[in-house]
Amino acid sequence: AQSVTQLDSQVPVFEEAPVELRCNYSSSVSVYLFWYVQYPNQGLQLLLKYLSGSTLVKGINGFEAEFNKSQTSFHLRKPSVHISDTAEYFCAVSRSSASKIIFGSGTRLSIRP
Amino acid sequence: GAVVSQHPSRVICKSGTSVKIECRSLDFQATTMFWYRQFPKKSLMLMATSNEGSKATYEQGVEKDKFLINHASLTLSTLTVTSAHPEDSSFYICSAPDGSNQPQHFGDGTRLSIL
Repeated sequence: AQSVTQLDSQVPVFEEAPVELRCNYSSSVSVYLFWYVQYPNQGLQLLLKYLSGSTLVKGINGFEAEFNKSQTSFHLRKPSVHISDTAEYFCAVSRSSASKIIFGSGTRLSIRP
Repeated sequence: GAVVSQHPSRVICKSGTSVKIECRSLDFQATTMFWYRQFPKKSLMLMATSNEGSKATYEQGVEKDKFLINHASLTLSTLTVTSAHPEDSSFYICSAPDGSNQPQHFGDGTRLSIL
């Protein structure tokens, strides 16, 4: 079985500062890893995905994540955040593109001017 | 690109009413769809896997008689919340893989409020 742990429930940062949202996963098999963003009162939007290949994955809105197999981590980073990045961020894992997706508990990113 | 349409986006109804939510794949066939539930300020929890032409597979703790799932065609899965009560109020969202190696497609979700 797979599981996902997001260590930080809330991350406050100042505008234009860098941010890292942490995610660790557990699985006995190879997995696909994702980061989703959910803006207030909206659905999910895919930020980026790791399926295979390069461990550094670039996504939309200037976000990137690095797959680290030895540490079973998939942390999300952005070098300079904007007010518009205020949202809930979910790390997720699945065994394949057709399998159920297991979500982490989410990290609320709040940006201070 | 591939799109999943979920309807309605929001519904408010009285306690005891049954509510049907539709999840439709617009330009691909989906033999499998997934239904998730999200409580306020919480994460998404898988409720069930909808299988075209066969019974849905429910996660542990999800009442199959309460949450009826029908997947009668390759492009439509429905979730019916039967005799809904205030504790069923939540955000329900579906997803569907399109058969490629790419991530699944999510609907925009349905916000259900039971008064």
